[in-house]
Amino acid sequence: QKEVEQDPGPLSVPEGAIVSLNCTYSNSAFQYFMWYRQYSRKGPELLMYTYSSGNKEDGRFTAQVDKSSKYISLFIRDSQPSDSATYLCAMSAGSNFGNEKLTFGTGTRLTIIP
Amino acid sequence: EAGVAQSPRYKIIEKRQSVAFWCNPISGHATLYWYQQILGQGPKLLIQFQNNGVVDDSQLPKDRFSAERLKGVDSTLKIQPAKLEDSAVYLCASSLALANVLTFGAGSRLTVL
Repeated sequence: QKEVEQDPGPLSVPEGAIVSLNCTYSNSAFQYFMWYRQYSRKGPELLMYTYSSGNKEDGRFTAQVDKSSKYISLFIRDSQPSDSATYLCAMSAGSNFGNEKLTFGTGTRLTIIP
Repeated sequence: EAGVAQSPRYKIIEKRQSVAFWCNPISGHATLYWYQQILGQGPKLLIQFQNNGVVDDSQLPKDRFSAERLKGVDSTLKIQPAKLEDSAVYLCASSLALANVLTFGAGSRLTVL
């Protein structure tokens, strides 16, 4: 079993729809949860960063973490064609030097149809 | 601020040949990472440097891969000899304040024929 599982998609939704992206994990030591966005032929860029359980909102993006279920989600409201990209979840056990090793999901490829 | 610079962007070689990739991190970032991203997979850490010392190279195939970071700034990743399964994008990343918040370069795409 992989430490982090993510549905690779592809996922296609019409413009303006709400998008839900998810990851599950098995390592209970993970405390820091990130979502990276990766456009084609580019490196990943950090989108959201959360610590422990709860919600975090940034504009049209909301990240949710449920540590009891080992389940994290990213919601995109009012989706735009510019949101078309691969979304990678990533997790680590710590933020300090020596504990920060990131484990990535496989990524979900998202296409927003105009 | 300038981002993480990588070169070359694309490289095509035959198996058993050698290749080298170069990375220049964001100025002041002490920690530098090399990741391998195979098509359809998430990035996998190959090696992590803190200044010019190696922190973690547990997933680096040391029989064919080597990396160095002279003077704690630029880094090179070398593969010799290359195998077909080394076809991937090699991503360099660096970090500053929060150690697990990484800034990635655009990557170097390697195709081994």
